[in-house]
Order: sequence, then C-alpha cells, then structure tokens
Amino acid sequence: GENVEQHPSTLSVQEGDSAVIKCTYSDSASNYFPWYKQELGKRPQLIIDIRSNVGEKKDQRIAVTLNKTAKHFSLHITETQPEDSAVYFCAARENEKLTFGTGTRLTIIP
Amino acid sequence: NAGVTQTPKFQVLKTGQSMTLQCAQDMNHNSMYWYRQDPGMGLRLIYYSASEGTTDKGEVPNGYNVSRLNKREFSLRLESAAPSQTSVYFCASTRTATYGYTFGSGTRLTVV
Repeated sequence: GENVEQHPSTLSVQEGDSAVIKCTYSDSASNYFPWYKQELGKRPQLIIDIRSNVGEKKDQRIAVTLNKTAKHFSLHITETQPEDSAVYFCAARENEKLTFGTGTRLTIIP
Repeated sequence: NAGVTQTPKFQVLKTGQSMTLQCAQDMNHNSMYWYRQDPGMGLRLIYYSASEGTTDKGEVPNGYNVSRLNKREFSLRLESAAPSQTSVYFCASTRTATYGYTFGSGTRLTVV
C-alpha cells in the first residue's frame, strides 16, 4: 500500500516569512495529492490539492508543487500570518482512499 | 446543508463495553471513510466504503466493524472497547476518487 512521509514535524517561522512543508510518497500509481489544515480541536479542512498531470498550483498565498519522477510534493505558504498557525497534513490517493502524512505543526511567531 | 454529521461528539466507555459511532452525509457522495487520529500518527484509515453496498478494510481495522446502511449513512462499531481505542474518530466522504474529503467534526472517545 501507499506510504506517505512528511517533514518537518514542527516548524516555526516569523510572521511574514515563508513556510515549506515536504512530503514523499511510495506508490507511483497515486494520482491525487491534497493538503489539509487542522486547527486545534477542529476537523481537517482541504486547503489545496494537485492532480498528477499538473506540476504546480497556486491559490493566493499558498502553492503546491509536485515532482512525479522523484515522488515528492510540497506546500508553500508565503507572507505567513498568525491565522496560518495549525497542523498541516499532506495525503496521497491510491485507488479509492487517501493515505495521510503524520502532520506538521506550524507556528507563526508574531 | 449540514455536510458530514457525526454523533456523538464525546464518549467515555469502560473496557469491554460496545458502542456505535454514527455518520451521515447529505452531499450525495459515493464514498465514505472512518479514520482515527492519534497524537504524532496522523490520520489512519480504519474502514471505507467506496460505494453503497461495499466495505473494505483500511490500515487499522482490528477491533472494529462497519455498516454502510444506505448511501447517506456509514456507522462504525466497537464490539468490545479497549484502552488502545482511545482516540479521535473522523468520518469523511467524497464524490469520486479525484476529489478531496469532507470531514465530520469528530468523536472524541475515551476508553477507561
């Protein structure tokens, strides 16, 4: 089955700086890669996703890149704000199900 | 439009007790999932139902059973709860394989 590794597990950045979270996956058949944001005590919320036929996707301050050859994908958050503090999960889809990474706790320092 | 609704939100069980977690979605989604979330371990798949009438095991199915009652509802049953099943349980649904999940608000279960 699919295996997703996510790094780093914790990340602290100064407000206004950029944050990058990286994930690798094992199954070359995986074709869909979403990112979720989870605030304390809340449900995970989809923030951006990318499909295997696309190399990069942007949505305002967030972007995701995908390298299928190397089997890794990354989340980039620019101009970070206090409300970006949360746990972020990457995931990879194989057939009908998602396999999640173990999460990155992002803290924005005012 | 409620999305994905889970009940109960909190539950405390004694070891050996049984209970059923309920999940319902009103988005006409085909696929439904049960995940558990433990600190430092992300979200791990327990069972899923790719379509009405089918269920399959995920990564951590031992100690659980599921029922896809109809297209809207997917329940998770613990027959004999154990302390190792203390966790936050999330139900999720999706339309097709290339769309993200919509999650329910979660059930925080403690087994003592």
